[in-house]
Amino acid sequence: KQEVTQIPAALSVPEGENLVLNCSFTDSAIYNLQWFRQDPGKGLTSLLLIQSSQREQTSGRLNASLDKSSGRSTLYIAASQPGDSATYLCVNFFTTDKIIFGKGTRLHILP
Amino acid sequence: NAGVTQTPKFQVLKTGQSMTLQCAQDMNHEYMSWYRQDPGMGLRLIHYSVGAGITDQGEVPNGYNVSRSTTEDFPLRLLSAAPSQTSVYFCASSNRQGSGELFFGEGSRLTVL
Repeated sequence: KQEVTQIPAALSVPEGENLVLNCSFTDSAIYNLQWFRQDPGKGLTSLLLIQSSQREQTSGRLNASLDKSSGRSTLYIAASQPGDSATYLCVNFFTTDKIIFGKGTRLHILP
Repeated sequence: NAGVTQTPKFQVLKTGQSMTLQCAQDMNHEYMSWYRQDPGMGLRLIHYSVGAGITDQGEVPNGYNVSRSTTEDFPLRLLSAAPSQTSVYFCASSNRQGSGELFFGEGSRLTVL
């Protein structure tokens, strides 16, 4: 069974620190991998999309990497800010039809 | 730039009532899907469609029906609502032949009493 795991489930760090969120998956035959953020009671905002032929993508203070051989993706957030507090979701497109979500990491940046 | 539009945003139903959650996208995406999100359970796939006239079941399809008569629309029907269907529902679409990036609607919060 294809699974996506996000560890840790929750994380609190002081403002200004760099941090890494992890996403692991059981099947290396992925199509794309996408990171989202979700604020409480809100919808999903796309952060970064990594296509299977790529190894990383960057947007501002965010950098996402993809290592298919180890079945892992990481989301790196530099110089964290209180506004980064949200739940971060990893979604893995094992095929273009069956799109599986991780349960997310709840991030709290302490002012 | 409408993207993916869901209606209604909020709905309260009584057990046994029926309703339809509407989802429309204006990006000519072949792929559309419905998810439900519950505390501690993450996003779970209900049904998906890879094109007009084609639908398939996801992880939690029981109690829900879908149809895809046009590329733009993918309604989700609850024929006889149950309290277990209280949830937040998200519709998403993707261009399978392009980048594959997934786009989401803003969600529909459903309460079944």
